[in-house]
Amino acid sequence: AQSVAQPEDQVNVAEGNPLTVKCTYSVSGNPYLFWYVQYPNRGLQFLLKYITGDNLVKGSYGFEAEFNKSQTSFHLKKPSALVSDSALYFCAVRDGDNFNKFYFGSGTKLNVKP
Amino acid sequence: SAVISQKPSRDICQRGTSLTIQCQVDSQVTMMFWYRQQPGQSLTLIATANQGSEATYESGFVIDKFPISRPNLTFSTLTVSNMSPEDSSIYLCSVYENWNTEAFFGQGTRLTVV
Repeated sequence: AQSVAQPEDQVNVAEGNPLTVKCTYSVSGNPYLFWYVQYPNRGLQFLLKYITGDNLVKGSYGFEAEFNKSQTSFHLKKPSALVSDSALYFCAVRDGDNFNKFYFGSGTKLNVKP
Repeated sequence: SAVISQKPSRDICQRGTSLTIQCQVDSQVTMMFWYRQQPGQSLTLIATANQGSEATYESGFVIDKFPISRPNLTFSTLTVSNMSPEDSSIYLCSVYENWNTEAFFGQGTRLTVV
């Protein structure tokens, strides 16, 4: 069965510092991995994805993620955090056996303080 | 990328009543998906809506409680029936275009049942 784990409920970082939001996954077959961001009272916005290719994936708003097959991780990173990055972040994996299904992590609240 | 319009954006409803949520996509898609996001929780798939056939419900969700319509390839509705305070959640409509693309989400409907 497919699953995603986000071990941190909350991440606090100072503006200008690098940030990392952690995600580990469990899949049968090839992983299709995604990161989404949710601002208050909004739907989910797509940030980036890993399907195949380079392990370092670049996405929207300066975010990037590193796919690590041996550690089954897909951590979200940004070199310099902004206060406006404060939001709820979800990691997701697509079911390789049933492409209709996405499995979402529990979410990590990112707080960027001035 | 698909653009999804969801209505209403929020509502406060009396217990025992029903609410119908509409989802309009700017392009034709084979399947549309309905998710529930309970307060402080991750996303849970309710059902998959196919045009011209019955919706497919996930474990724990039933048609009598969450009837779904899919009259054409760009539109779907989800009804939350006989509501109770436990139904207070954000309901999200989602689509994807291909097997290797991300899922796109509407802005969500924030439902409060009193």
